[in-house]
Amino acid sequence: EIVLTQSPGTLSLSPGERATLSCRASQSVSSTYLAWYQQKPGQAPRLLISGASSRATGIPDRFSGGGSGTNFTLAISRLEPEDFAVYYCQHYGSSPLFTFGPGTKVDIK
Amino acid sequence: EVQLVESGGGLVQPGGSLRLSCAASKFTFSSYEMNWVRQAPGKGLEWVSDISSSGSSIYYADSVKGRFTISRDNAKNSLYLQMNSLRAEDTAVYYCARVVQGNFDYWGQGTLVTVSS
Repeated sequence: EIVLTQSPGTLSLSPGERATLSCRASQSVSSTYLAWYQQKPGQAPRLLISGASSRATGIPDRFSGGGSGTNFTLAISRLEPEDFAVYYCQHYGSSPLFTFGPGTKVDIK
Repeated sequence: EVQLVESGGGLVQPGGSLRLSCAASKFTFSSYEMNWVRQAPGKGLEWVSDISSSGSSIYYADSVKGRFTISRDNAKNSLYLQMNSLRAEDTAVYYCARVVQGNFDYWGQGTLVTVSS
């Protein structure tokens, strides 16, 4: 069973700063099936990144994803007020079929 | 744009049953794998169940296996989740979501299920 671990649990930053979020898998996974989501309070999650590094439709280029094997990152180059949210990584392909990380909350410092 | 609208949530006693529905529109529903994902209050996302485009392949999380049944009606553009033997720990917002290449690319707004006496 693949387990995803995200760090830090909470990231306190100011608008304009750079955010770097980490997602680690308990064993090597295919980058093809590693995704990132953003969720704001009271809203459904929104797909940001698929295939570890491809931005979904309509996602601003300040969001970027990278990594391979067991270590993946989501970077937000300059935080906008609307970027303060919870971010989840997700993997597809093993038992269980879909796995989510516990999330990283990015809040305003 | 793609629309997914869940319904059927509510308050149910432990051991009871509930059937969730998800009405899909503005895309060819019969061509897509669909899923249910839930989120307990104040907690993270938990995958619940997956069904292939034709309905021939179905998967469940261990936490719901034997109690929940996913199904779909492609003629009605609808996805369902029959939930039996409900427990307090099943309390959550339940989202239906479309899957493309292992990613949840569209989500509904969710429906709240509360299991309590």
